[in-house]
Amino acid sequence: EVQLLESGGGLVQPGGSLRLSCAASGFTFSSYAMSWVRQAPGKGLEWVSAISGSGGSTYYADSVKGRFTISRDNSKNTLYLQMNSLRAEDTAVYYCARAFYYGSGKDAFDIWGQGTMVTVSS
Amino acid sequence: DIQMTQSPSSLSASVGDRVTITCRASQGISNYLAWYQQKPGKVPKLLIYAASTLQSGVPSRFSGSGSGTDFTLTISSLQPEDVATYYCQSRGFTFGPGTKVDIK
Repeated sequence: EVQLLESGGGLVQPGGSLRLSCAASGFTFSSYAMSWVRQAPGKGLEWVSAISGSGGSTYYADSVKGRFTISRDNSKNTLYLQMNSLRAEDTAVYYCARAFYYGSGKDAFDIWGQGTMVTVSS
Repeated sequence: DIQMTQSPSSLSASVGDRVTITCRASQGISNYLAWYQQKPGKVPKLLIYAASTLQSGVPSRFSGSGSGTDFTLTISSLQPEDVATYYCQSRGFTFGPGTKVDIK
């Protein structure tokens, strides 16, 4: 069964750091680009960051650029999100999602994890 | 950057009704458009990609259309299990703000 399982969320003070992990199973992890998407309480979906299958290319939303770092370990089938200088507005459920390419430069997220909650508060 | 808008922001319809949700892109995106369904308290689910291609396992009452800047998601006969928020998504991983669908 194709599955993504996030971990690492929790309560952190403003200015603190947290590392999220996403363990993948049931598919060839290195063949897929992956993303992190977040959802603040009662709000919509916001893409956060993406990484190519090899890990050689990374992309970030302006709201997290310079503070968050996406990475992956294909030998461990695991995706990571290192979050530094956290702010209250980073409070959200963080989902990892697999990118499904359906055309030249066109992708969608076909597999989602169950999400992990990050709360930034003093 | 591409901006996505959706209308309406919410709607309430009766079981069996035909429901249409619109998504508009700030610039032409060809058929680079996906639709997701997120039921209350659940994980988002991919419904449609390439504007009109149904993801495997999605009921045929869902359909998508459009190209360029204007797109629609249609539920031909609304069912109680379709209560959810629906999001469009396009280039740059940009999501629309969502449309909440309830049963009247």
